[in-house]
Amino acid sequence: EDKVVQSPLSLVVHEGDTVTLNCSYEVTNFRSLLWYKQEKKAPTFLFMLTSSGIEKKSGRLSSILDKKELSSILNITATQTGDSAIYLCAGNSGYALNFGKGTSLLVTP
Amino acid sequence: EAQVTQNPRYLITVTGKKLTVTCSQNMNHEYMSWYRQDPGLGLRQIYYSMNVEVTDKGDVPEGYKVSRKEKRNFPLILESPSPNQTSLYFCASRQIGNTDTQYFGPGTRLTVL
Repeated sequence: EDKVVQSPLSLVVHEGDTVTLNCSYEVTNFRSLLWYKQEKKAPTFLFMLTSSGIEKKSGRLSSILDKKELSSILNITATQTGDSAIYLCAGNSGYALNFGKGTSLLVTP
Repeated sequence: EAQVTQNPRYLITVTGKKLTVTCSQNMNHEYMSWYRQDPGLGLRQIYYSMNVEVTDKGDVPEGYKVSRKEKRNFPLILESPSPNQTSLYFCASRQIGNTDTQYFGPGTRLTVL
């Protein structure tokens, strides 16, 4: 059975800190790994990763996939209060996206 | 504008009263799915559809039905809602392929009394 596990489940940091969110996956016929940010509404897309070792970057956020370790990390540097959200990762098997339970990040002023 | 729409956004109903949550996408996506999101349990897939007239169960299909008569629409039907179906529901769609980013609808918050 496919499984996606995120850690930590919850995190509280101060503004300006750097955080690393983890995602490990066991997905049959793995095609890609996706990261989403969810504030008080629908998840919004951040990154899609298909190749190992190639970093994707968007502003202060970056992510990388390690297919050997079946894992991915999402880094956020110089965190801001607006980064407070639930971060979801999902493994794509082609038929379905299997979501982890998410990491809840709270950035305090 | 590319989007997934859901209606209603909020619904309070009583046990046993049939309801339908509509979902529509304008991106000509083949794949559509329904999720429910509950605290501590994350996003769980209810049903998905790979194309018109092709639907399949996800992880938590009990108590739900779906249909895919047209490519753009994928309604979620609760024939006899129960309180344990109180949840936040998301419809999503994507093109199947390597560039298969998934787009979510705005969500429907359902309360069953």
